[in-house]
Amino acid sequence: KQEVTQIPAALSVPEGENLVLNCSFTDSAIYNLQWFRQDPGKGLTSLLLIQSSQREQTSGRLNASLDKSSGRSTLYIAASQPGDSATYLCAVNGGSNYKLTFGKGTLLTVNP
Amino acid sequence: EAQVTQNPRYLITVTGKKLTVTCSQNMNHEYMSWYRQDPGLGLRQIYYSMNVEVTDKGDVPEGYKVSRKEKRNFPLILESPSPNQTSLYFCASSEWTGGSDTQYFGPGTRLTVL
Repeated sequence: KQEVTQIPAALSVPEGENLVLNCSFTDSAIYNLQWFRQDPGKGLTSLLLIQSSQREQTSGRLNASLDKSSGRSTLYIAASQPGDSATYLCAVNGGSNYKLTFGKGTLLTVNP
Repeated sequence: EAQVTQNPRYLITVTGKKLTVTCSQNMNHEYMSWYRQDPGLGLRQIYYSMNVEVTDKGDVPEGYKVSRKEKRNFPLILESPSPNQTSLYFCASSEWTGGSDTQYFGPGTRLTVL
């Protein structure tokens, strides 16, 4: 059974810092991995999707990497801003039912 | 605008009173799915559908039903809600091209069962 772990559970940084969020998964047989952002009481916004054959994806200040063989992904956020404050969720897509298995998230707070 | 919509967004009900949460997508996606999100447990899949009239159970299907009569709609039915179904529910959709596609999520429905 796939398990996804995100470390740290919470992170507080001053504005302008570069930061890394970590995600690990137990079964490397995946289709892809997605990073989502969730604001309090709101839905999920897809940030980046990395296919199993890819090593990384970039969108603006965000860069996500994938090392499938070791079961790890990182989300790098450059020059963090208060508007980046949210919960970041990592989700692995694997199996015949195309199910996303989610980590419990990292709560990021960027202080002005 | 491409989107997944859910209704209602908030619902308070009582034990045993049947309810339906609707989900609709305008992207002509084959795949649709329901998740629930609970503190400390994260998001878990309830049911999914790979196309019209094709549905199957996810990880936590007990107490729920779904139907897929049209491609765009995937309602979640609680025949006899109980307090342990109090949760935040999300509908998601994507194309189905062998696993390479982004899943898009609706805004969520916060359900409270008293």
